[in-house]
Amino acid sequence: ETGVTQTPRHLVMGMTNKKSLKCEQHLGHNAMYWYKQSAKKPLELMFVYSLEERVENNSVPSRFSPECPNSSHLFLHLHTLQPEDSALYLCASSQRTSLIHNEQFFGPGTRLTVL
Amino acid sequence: AQSVAQPEDQVNVAEGNPLTVKCTYSVSGNPYLFWYVQYPNRGLQFLLKYITGDNLVKGSYGFEAEFNKSQTSFHLKKPSALVSDSALYFCAVRDLDFNKFYFGSGTKLNVKP
Repeated sequence: ETGVTQTPRHLVMGMTNKKSLKCEQHLGHNAMYWYKQSAKKPLELMFVYSLEERVENNSVPSRFSPECPNSSHLFLHLHTLQPEDSALYLCASSQRTSLIHNEQFFGPGTRLTVL
Repeated sequence: AQSVAQPEDQVNVAEGNPLTVKCTYSVSGNPYLFWYVQYPNRGLQFLLKYITGDNLVKGSYGFEAEFNKSQTSFHLKKPSALVSDSALYFCAVRDLDFNKFYFGSGTKLNVKP
């Protein structure tokens, strides 16, 4: 099991619901990421937080709202989603350093279904 | 912009045979390349990376990858496939802004007994 946990593992929600995905890393890393994984498509990088500051927002719709209260926790707040938002949402963490190209560690993902 | 391409959606191989999963890259500057594996209902797991040095990189579970600068490729290989190697494999490149990773679309490896 990795040092990155995600809850819930599965989520079914209606288009008018508000829900949140949670990610926690126990690795002492200082960078965290949200990815969207859809079938037969490349992983889509959604958000990057480095040292708790958002450094990337890849034109993600505003119905997705990230929050990083500290270096160990990352949330993705969801509201008024669309059926095409159904996907596996993966959280990852890494250690940011200018000298070493460290790999990312991934959580198991949250399987989201929007009805 | 950095990108990687995995030209095969699926690779089928018999157990005991060598396997290759292909990846080509496009980067500005030095390439920092990674391979990850994803088993069903799991997140991605790191296999190996190329930063600099030897073109043949050895990683977890007996996998290795060959960096070829002239062909801009970073193919994943294993001399003898196992049924348990069946999974989804992703190639990735790290951006010069070292917080960003770009992943390919993935290749499903099927190893038949």
